[in-house]
Amino acid sequence: DVKVTQSSRYLVKRTGEKVFLECVQDMDHENMFWYRQDPGLGLRLIYFSYDVKMKEKGDIPEGYSVSREKKERFSLILESASTNQTSMYLCASSESYGRTPTGEQFFGPGTRLTVL
Amino acid sequence: QKEVEQDPGPLSVPEGAIVSLNCTYSNSAFQYFMWYRQYSRKGPELLMYTYSSGNKEDGRFTAQVDKSSKYISLFIRDSQPSDSATYLCAMRSGGYNKLIFGAGTRLAVHP
Repeated sequence: DVKVTQSSRYLVKRTGEKVFLECVQDMDHENMFWYRQDPGLGLRLIYFSYDVKMKEKGDIPEGYSVSREKKERFSLILESASTNQTSMYLCASSESYGRTPTGEQFFGPGTRLTVL
Repeated sequence: QKEVEQDPGPLSVPEGAIVSLNCTYSNSAFQYFMWYRQYSRKGPELLMYTYSSGNKEDGRFTAQVDKSSKYISLFIRDSQPSDSATYLCAMRSGGYNKLIFGAGTRLAVHP
């Protein structure tokens, strides 16, 4: 059974703190993604990675950075958390293009982050 | 204008009703069309996908794509309370790894 796990289900941080969100997949997928999900806005792509140490900006990268040192792990970093980063954060993984016709992404359960 | 538009609802229907969920899009390069279902406090899961235009049926679910109108639909027949979830449409153009998601429609099926 495919699995994407995220380090925390709920997280409360203070403004200005550095925040690390961890994601691990056990499917040997090349691609990994970080999204945030807000009511009425759907899923918005923050960053994605198509290989170890490779990353590309998504639609809303400002205020975030990522790290992928190992194939199975993709970390999202909030350098200095702000209240407008309060959101649900979802990690996903997929096989590389050419190995899956749909680009199906497998999602973790999400981390609900509150920044006070 | 967003690339993919989806009415966020909420949509509330009685058990047994036929449900119609829809998305419109602007990018004619999209070739793969998907519907994800997301239960409360869970991540989205792929429900159905369609390549290019046409219909696809899976049990009580039917996905339709009309590329000429840039319009996709998901129909749920004989809806059940267990269908209560948020349904997100997603699209991809060939050669790219990224999916473009709609805002999601929250559906509640009441007994």
